[in-house]
Amino acid sequence: SAVISQKPSRDICQRGTSLTIQCQVDSQVTMMFWYRQQPGQSLTLIATANQGSEATYESGFVIDKFPISRPNLTFSTLTVSNMSPEDSSIYLCSVEDLGVGTDTQYFGPGTRLTVL
Amino acid sequence: QQQVKQSPQSLIVQKGGISIINCAYENTAFDYFPWYQQFPGKGPALLIAIRPDVSEKKEGRFTISFNKSAKQFSLHIMDSQPGDSATYFCAALYGNNRKLIWGLGTSLAVNP
Repeated sequence: SAVISQKPSRDICQRGTSLTIQCQVDSQVTMMFWYRQQPGQSLTLIATANQGSEATYESGFVIDKFPISRPNLTFSTLTVSNMSPEDSSIYLCSVEDLGVGTDTQYFGPGTRLTVL
Repeated sequence: QQQVKQSPQSLIVQKGGISIINCAYENTAFDYFPWYQQFPGKGPALLIAIRPDVSEKKEGRFTISFNKSAKQFSLHIMDSQPGDSATYFCAALYGNNRKLIWGLGTSLAVNP
């Protein structure tokens, strides 16, 4: 299975600032996904990021607030822009591992963000 | 129609007992049903998954039962252990863009 790392693992940020979260995979993957998870809650998909194309955002999420880059098949970043306390959450990236099967998604350890 | 309904929200089981978590869906286009296990401070980890052409899949102490006609599937954890205490999510795969639709999760506590 793919091994996924995220940086930073956690951060405390001030209102109005931006944070960029990095997701690195140890193998080439076609599809990468970014999720948000409030403590004790389920996962909410923010966007799907395919290499070489614009990210596809879910309803309620916009590019200006959550810009995503996908420069190659092993790396992606999610930026949380102009943060407010409501953005405090765990941000997770996941990948679809074509080496195992086209339907298996693996998750990174998450980035715990607190906005003051 | 895109929802996956998961129950119970929380579950307490004695060590050695059977933990059962249920999920139901409406959209017959779903074609892949994974279960994820999540420990505090960690990302979800794939536990076991099933496709609708199979009625049961077993991996060690974990079994998925799938009822296509009822549009329901469940996770059974046999001989539950305190180390199984975690949050469990069912999900269903939707569409060509491979988006997962998630249940709300079940917090399982296994008492020693």
